[in-house]
Amino acid sequence: GENVEQHPSTLSVQEGDSAVIKCTYSDSASNYFPWYKQELGKGPQLIIDIRSNVGEKKDQRIAVTLNKTAKHFSLHITETQPEDSAVYFCAASYGGGADGLTFGKGTHLIIQP
Amino acid sequence: GAVVSQHPSRVICKSGTSVKIECRSLDFQATTMFWYRQFPKQSLMLMATSNEGSKATYEQGVEKDKFLINHASLTLSTLTVTSAHPEDSSFYICSARDPSGGPPSEQFFGPGTRLTVL
Repeated sequence: GENVEQHPSTLSVQEGDSAVIKCTYSDSASNYFPWYKQELGKGPQLIIDIRSNVGEKKDQRIAVTLNKTAKHFSLHITETQPEDSAVYFCAASYGGGADGLTFGKGTHLIIQP
Repeated sequence: GAVVSQHPSRVICKSGTSVKIECRSLDFQATTMFWYRQFPKQSLMLMATSNEGSKATYEQGVEKDKFLINHASLTLSTLTVTSAHPEDSSFYICSARDPSGGPPSEQFFGPGTRLTVL
């Protein structure tokens, strides 16, 4: 089955700086890669996703890049703000829809004021 | 995006009892729902895929007789933890796909249910 590795486990950045979280996946059949933000005691919220036919996607301060050959994808957050502090999870699935998501272990992002 | 609700948000029960958790898609019909479990400070692990009108598909290592899943309608899936024990204490989260709009792969997550077994 699919295996998703995520790094780093904890990331502390100064407010206003950029944050980058990286993930690798093992199954070349995976073609859908979402990123979720989870606040304490809540369910995950989708913040951005990318499909394997696209190399990069951007939504305001958030961007995701995908290197299908190397089987890795990254989340980029620019101009970080205190409200960006949370745990971020990457995930992968075969986007046919019948499959659940395989999650990375998560990154605790801390924005230092 | 689509809205998924869960009930209850928090439940405490005695060891040996059964607990039912509901997952509802509020503004769309979901033929497929997923159940995940998350232990403290860990990632989400897929437990099972719930298909409307048919049997659930369980991930390896998940006991189907212990975690009963029923998906009787297009807006409701239930997870029943039978004969719960302290090691079943966890955060249970469901998700659902909205097949009618948007990317078919996008999953909308519920707010989760915190189960504590004494």
